[in-house]
Amino acid sequence: QVQLKESGPGLVQPSQTLSLTCTVSGFSLTSNSVHWVRQPPGKGLEWVGAIWSGGSTDYNSALKSRLSISRDTSKSQVFLKMNSLQTEDTAIYFCTRGVYYFDYWGQGVMVTVSS
Amino acid sequence: DTVLTQSPALAVSPGERVSISCRASEGVNSYMHWYQQKPGQQPKLLIYKASNLASGVPARFSGSGSGTDFTLTIDPVEADDTATYFCQQSWNDPNTFGAGTKLELK
Repeated sequence: QVQLKESGPGLVQPSQTLSLTCTVSGFSLTSNSVHWVRQPPGKGLEWVGAIWSGGSTDYNSALKSRLSISRDTSKSQVFLKMNSLQTEDTAIYFCTRGVYYFDYWGQGVMVTVSS
Repeated sequence: DTVLTQSPALAVSPGERVSISCRASEGVNSYMHWYQQKPGQQPKLLIYKASNLASGVPARFSGSGSGTDFTLTIDPVEADDTATYFCQQSWNDPNTFGAGTKLELK
């Protein structure tokens, strides 16, 4: 069955770099797109970026200068790297599958930016 | 970016019909999708492309609309439907989400 699972550090210091991994199963990254969506505590959802089935990427313009999304298809993993983290980046980070809409989601990983 | 406006909260009694609205600041064709999120859980896809029921979702849920005005309807509402409902558009870049409508049962 289709599954996505996020992993990464729960605590990151301000100005440091966040590295998250999304490990997928039940589908191929070369045939499906994976997006990152984040949700600050008690708030709504924000699209972060995507890596498409062909390997190209798209980023939220507000985050583009700090963001990189990549993948390792042999390991069925998608990576998110975001630098210069600030407290406003504190959120649950989800990875999710889809093109126009998102049919499967990971459980999310809580990332807190604090010293 | 396309702004999606949702009413913040609704309260209904079990067995009633409820309509949750989402208004887009510009046209999104039929590329509006709806999600349910319960506390501590990931969002769950309910409706895609305005009116298509996602796999495994009860037929009590339905969607309608096109252009800028969309509606998610639950009929009849059950106690388990207590959740926050988000709309998402994918017609204009970037994808955007509404702020969510919190549905409470009386």
